Amino acid sequence: EDQVTQSPEALRLQEGESSSLNCSYTVSGLRGLFWYRQDPGKGPEFLFTLYSAGEEKEKERLKATLTKKESFLHITAPKPEDSATYLCAVSGDYKLSFGAGTTVTVRA
Amino acid sequence: ETGVTQTPRHLVMGMTNKKSLKCEQHLGHNAMYWYKQSAKKPLELMFVYSLEERVENNSVPSRFSPECPNSSHLFLHLHTLQPEDSALYLCASSHGQGYNEQFFGPGTRLTVL
Repeated sequence: EDQVTQSPEALRLQEGESSSLNCSYTVSGLRGLFWYRQDPGKGPEFLFTLYSAGEEKEKERLKATLTKKESFLHITAPKPEDSATYLCAVSGDYKLSFGAGTTVTVRA
Repeated sequence: ETGVTQTPRHLVMGMTNKKSLKCEQHLGHNAMYWYKQSAKKPLELMFVYSLEERVENNSVPSRFSPECPNSSHLFLHLHTLQPEDSALYLCASSHGQGYNEQFFGPGTRLTVL
């Protein structure tokens, strides 16, 4: 069974303080790794798909990287509007398996 | 309307009520999903429909009954729910089944009294 573990569970940052979120996974044959952002009371918003080790993708202050066992979401110089829960998911077969998420709070 | 829409956004029901959740996708996708999201827990996949056929029923209790009349619409019929069924219910859609990125609706916050 595919497994996804995200750490830390919660992360409090000062505005401008860069940091990274971790997503460790075990899957039999990775088809894709996905990052989502979820604001309170809303559905997850798609951010990135990564398909193979060494791949990187960027969007504004976010950068996602992938190795054979884990993915990192780097937040560079975060702003308060980056506060959200970030979800990681993997696809190994015919469905996505999600982690529990990392809740990021950025203070001004 | 764009993306994935869900109605109602909030629902409070008693244990003996019958209600339905509705989802509509405007993305031209051919697969649709129901997820349950409880606090501090990963999203739980409930049902998958691909080309309007149910391809996954993830050990969900029979008090939850899905319906997919066409590739754009998905329903979740609820009856005799339990308080532990209170959660955020999310609908999603994708191109193809499972391994492509899924796009989510805003969810229905369900409270069972």
